[in-house]
Amino acid sequence: GAVVSQHPSWVICKSGTSVKIECRSLDFQATTMFWYRQFPKQSLMLMATSNEGSKATYEQGVEKDKFLINHASLTLSTLTVTSAHPEDSSFYICSARDPGQGVYGYTFGSGTRLTVV
Amino acid sequence: QQQVKQSPQSLIVQKGGIPIINCAYENTAFDYFPWYQQFPGKGPALLIAIRPDVSEKKEGRFTISFNKSAKQFSLHIMDSQPGDSATYFCAASPAGNKLTFGGGTRVLVKP
Repeated sequence: GAVVSQHPSWVICKSGTSVKIECRSLDFQATTMFWYRQFPKQSLMLMATSNEGSKATYEQGVEKDKFLINHASLTLSTLTVTSAHPEDSSFYICSARDPGQGVYGYTFGSGTRLTVV
Repeated sequence: QQQVKQSPQSLIVQKGGIPIINCAYENTAFDYFPWYQQFPGKGPALLIAIRPDVSEKKEGRFTISFNKSAKQFSLHIMDSQPGDSATYFCAASPAGNKLTFGGGTRVLVKP
């Protein structure tokens, strides 16, 4: 089945630094990837939708200059949290649509736990 | 219009019991209704999904019931096991579009 690999699985960084999270589709080409943020005991909140070769579409309230998304290839999307602060500490999850499963094939990565100290 | 409301927030059942989780939506453009299972520290994994053209779908011990007129759908976990203890999310989307998630239900199955 479709596999989405996300790295790192956890990261600790100092306040003010930037952190990059990678999301790779291993066995399919993903023209569209999604980035979510999940706070403890809460649901997944969509941050942005990225399409290969074009700018990401951000959800209302998400700072595009703070959460930089790059989808430079059909198998890789990256999320960079710039100038991270403790309030950015969260669980970040990517998802990719597998065209082989039609318009309904969403596969999720295993998530990245970001802790900003 | 885009909300998906999920209930209950948590529930506890004995092994062998049948946890039932309910979701309601408003957007009539939604035509894909998946359920995801999430364990702590992991990403969500697809359990089962349904389209509006059927009223029920079963996969193993998991059953989705769908009521299009009421705009509601539910997940039943038959013969629940302690290993089913997890957080369950319903979701919905229009064809090929982004998923909207419910608030989640934490299920605990006691041995």
